[in-house]
Amino acid sequence: GAGVSQSPSNKVTEKGKDVELRCDPISGHTALYWYRQSLGQGLEFLIYFQGNSAPDKSGLPSDRFSAERTGGSVSTLTIQRTQQEDSAVYLCASSLAHPGTQYFGPGTRLLVL
Amino acid sequence: KQEVTQIPAALSVPEGENLVLNCSFTDSAIYNLQWFRQDPGKGLTSLLLIQSSQREQTSGRLNASLDKSSGRSTLYIAASQPGDSATYLCAVRKVTDKLIFGTGTRLQVFP
Repeated sequence: GAGVSQSPSNKVTEKGKDVELRCDPISGHTALYWYRQSLGQGLEFLIYFQGNSAPDKSGLPSDRFSAERTGGSVSTLTIQRTQQEDSAVYLCASSLAHPGTQYFGPGTRLLVL
Repeated sequence: KQEVTQIPAALSVPEGENLVLNCSFTDSAIYNLQWFRQDPGKGLTSLLLIQSSQREQTSGRLNASLDKSSGRSTLYIAASQPGDSATYLCAVRKVTDKLIFGTGTRLQVFP
């Protein structure tokens, strides 16, 4: 079956612009996670959604970052007024339940010039 | 604060060798530990998940062990192949918490 998909695969933007990153989880997975992988800093948790519960936003680095999940399926991560330090690979994962095995998408490579 | 460390950071070996990758974590109160593989330019692939009540998990040539009390896990790769070349990440989590990742071990297996 289809895995987790993310779009775009690559995004180049100018400093100060807003960007939206999309994640389509595996069908039926109730939990969805966003992570960021920066060069030299490893993978860090950003936010997770579980069903209809309030999302855990404890990993978002600033109020320029936000995410939503519509209809319990697709999620969008929005970064406003992008900065160069936002350049990273943004990975999305989903799992059948929380906690459970997380399945990752291929990521979106964001470059802020 | 949970910290996850992986050693070695990089490893280069000839094909056929048996390998041990190490992962250590500072807070032993974990729910599970997961090993992932990441290929260049791609996402993560889950290899093995070990619940806190388990001691090890096996899948093919891979075996992962967990010693929760000492805060350690090892990933054993038998008879390594060039196709095993990738970055290997371990991650731990608590019941209601997110995954905390190590910085990874970059493995290269040459023919």
